[in-house]
Amino acid sequence: GAVVSQHPSWVICKSGTSVKIECRSLDFQATTMFWYRQFPKQSLMLMATSNEGSKATYEQGVEKDKFLINHASLTLSTLTVTSAHPEDSSFYICSAADGTANTDTQYFGPGTRLTVL
Amino acid sequence: AQSVTQPDIHITVSEGASLELRCNYSYGATPYLFWYVQSPGQGLQLLLKYFSGDTLVQGIKGFEAEFKRSQSSFNLRKPSVHWSDAAEYFCAVGTQGGKLIFGQGTELSVKP
Repeated sequence: GAVVSQHPSWVICKSGTSVKIECRSLDFQATTMFWYRQFPKQSLMLMATSNEGSKATYEQGVEKDKFLINHASLTLSTLTVTSAHPEDSSFYICSAADGTANTDTQYFGPGTRLTVL
Repeated sequence: AQSVTQPDIHITVSEGASLELRCNYSYGATPYLFWYVQSPGQGLQLLLKYFSGDTLVQGIKGFEAEFKRSQSSFNLRKPSVHWSDAAEYFCAVGTQGGKLIFGQGTELSVKP
């Protein structure tokens, strides 16, 4: 149980285009989903928290107009990188939790490798 | 400020040897602590978690961790390391709203 999937697993796009990444909780309802960014050999940086049916909460320094997050249902959240540039190339990981308490376990997706040419 | 520190960036152990990965946290309230493992190019898998009760927590794959409040530590241990344990290990503390604060990670290499 507690499986989270991401699609696509990797994507290459041209500079200036937009890319959408999907995150799905397969066997539970995710009240909250989180989006992280990870640079090589570094830790995970939380980008935003999304709750079903409401606007995402972005961490300081994350451009909400560049990284659009939608949490349309209890099993699906999407991250759209708009007008992508090479510096947006990174490993994006989502996680899902079935609550908002700090005791709730987050289950992580396998990640999406984005390369912007 | 809330933070998690993993003092060792990289550790190498011989297969069959014991392992201890260090984690120190700074958190004002009761900490909820997690250890995750990440294989190359993959997401994170939960190894174990501590919320309350017994300070020695058993996890998957033979791992255990001990919560020591006096030392603000939550070190991960395994009595005998296998080559498949080579990976990146992250310690994290759960905060309000369910957010996780991660440590910098410790890369584990296993020598044959």
